[in-house]
Amino acid sequence: DVKVTQSSRYLVKRTGEKVFLECVQDMDHENMFWYRQDPGLGLRLIYFSYDVKMKEKGDIPEGYSVSREKKERFSLILESASTNQTSMYLCASSLLPGQGSYEQYFGPGTRLTVT
Amino acid sequence: DQQVKQNSPSLSVQEGRISILNCDYTNSMFDYFLWYKKYPAEGPTFLISISSIKDKNEDGRFTVFLNKSAKHLSLHIVPSQPGDSAVYFCAAADSGGYQKVTFGIGTKLQVIP
Repeated sequence: DVKVTQSSRYLVKRTGEKVFLECVQDMDHENMFWYRQDPGLGLRLIYFSYDVKMKEKGDIPEGYSVSREKKERFSLILESASTNQTSMYLCASSLLPGQGSYEQYFGPGTRLTVT
Repeated sequence: DQQVKQNSPSLSVQEGRISILNCDYTNSMFDYFLWYKKYPAEGPTFLISISSIKDKNEDGRFTVFLNKSAKHLSLHIVPSQPGDSAVYFCAAADSGGYQKVTFGIGTKLQVIP
């Protein structure tokens, strides 16, 4: 059974703190993604990676960075957390184009609250 | 600028009846479409997809219809069950680019027993 895991289900951080969200997949997928989900805005892509050490900006990269040192692990970093980054963060992985469908497998999400 | 639009934020249907969820897109480069289902406090799960070379794809109780000329797709659930109550996201991809998928804002379906 395919699996994407995220390091925390719930996280509370203070404004200005550096925050790390970790994601691990066990499907040997090349692609990994970070989204945030907000009411009325759906899922918005923050960053994605199609290979180790490779990254591409998504639609809303401001205030975020990412790291992919190993194929199975993709980290999202909030350099200085702000209250407008309070959200549900979802990690996903998928095969490369040509290897299958565009189906992405999602983790359970991390509910981050910045106070 | 929303490239994938789900104009109905919510939908209520009686158990056993048909649920129809609609989605419109504006980017003519999109050629692959997906539907995801999301329960509260869980990540989205893939439901069904369709390539632009087809106009219909069926999987059990779920059928997706694609009208390319209208840039419109719909998800039909027949018969609807209470366990289908969830948020449904429409998504689209351009096979010419990276495997980036653009999601709509979702439609919350409630199936009433």
